[in-house]
Amino acid sequence: AQSVTQLGSHVSVSEGALVLLRCNYSSSVPPYLFWYVQYPNQGLQLLLKYTTGATLVKGINGFEAEFKKSETSFHLTKPSAHMSDAAEYFCAVSEDSGGYQKVTFGTGTKLQVIP
Amino acid sequence: EAGVAQSPRYKIIEKRQSVAFWCNPISGHATLYWYQQILGQGPKLLIQFQNNGVVDDSQLPKDRFSAERLKGVDSTLKIQPAKLEDSAVYLCASSFQARGNTEAFFGQGTRLTVV
Repeated sequence: AQSVTQLGSHVSVSEGALVLLRCNYSSSVPPYLFWYVQYPNQGLQLLLKYTTGATLVKGINGFEAEFKKSETSFHLTKPSAHMSDAAEYFCAVSEDSGGYQKVTFGTGTKLQVIP
Repeated sequence: EAGVAQSPRYKIIEKRQSVAFWCNPISGHATLYWYQQILGQGPKLLIQFQNNGVVDDSQLPKDRFSAERLKGVDSTLKIQPAKLEDSAVYLCASSFQARGNTEAFFGQGTRLTVV
């Protein structure tokens, strides 16, 4: 069974500082990995995804994530935090299962950006 | 391209009442998901449709929850009777295909409060 662990339900960074949100996954097959962002009272929006190929993937708003198979990790980073990055971030793992997609979300990390 | 539409945005009901949520996915998207997101948690899959057939409803409390997707397009999720613990945001999402590497597009959600 697949699972996702996001370390730290709340992360605070100063504006301009590095953002690092941690995600570890468990999957019995090569996984597809996603990061979604959720702003207050909104649905989830895709930031980036890893499917195959290059292990460093770039997404919207300056975010990127690196797939590390040996560490079963897919941590999300951004070099310089902006006030508009304050939101909740969800890591998700997906597998092809019986002809359809099976997705499991982490519990989320709420990012606070301090001016 | 129009996004996933959900209604209503907010709903307050008393316990033991019934409620229904509506979702219109992105045109051409074969896969439709209903998620329950309790405050402070990640989205939990309730039911997944491929066209108008159910492919996963393993976490749907079938004694009180029901869902249908008529003609493989719009979908309705119903709760009858509601319990206090059903208070959550109900998210509808759709994706173009059932492959594991496909991202989902989310609606803004319906916030349900059961009092």
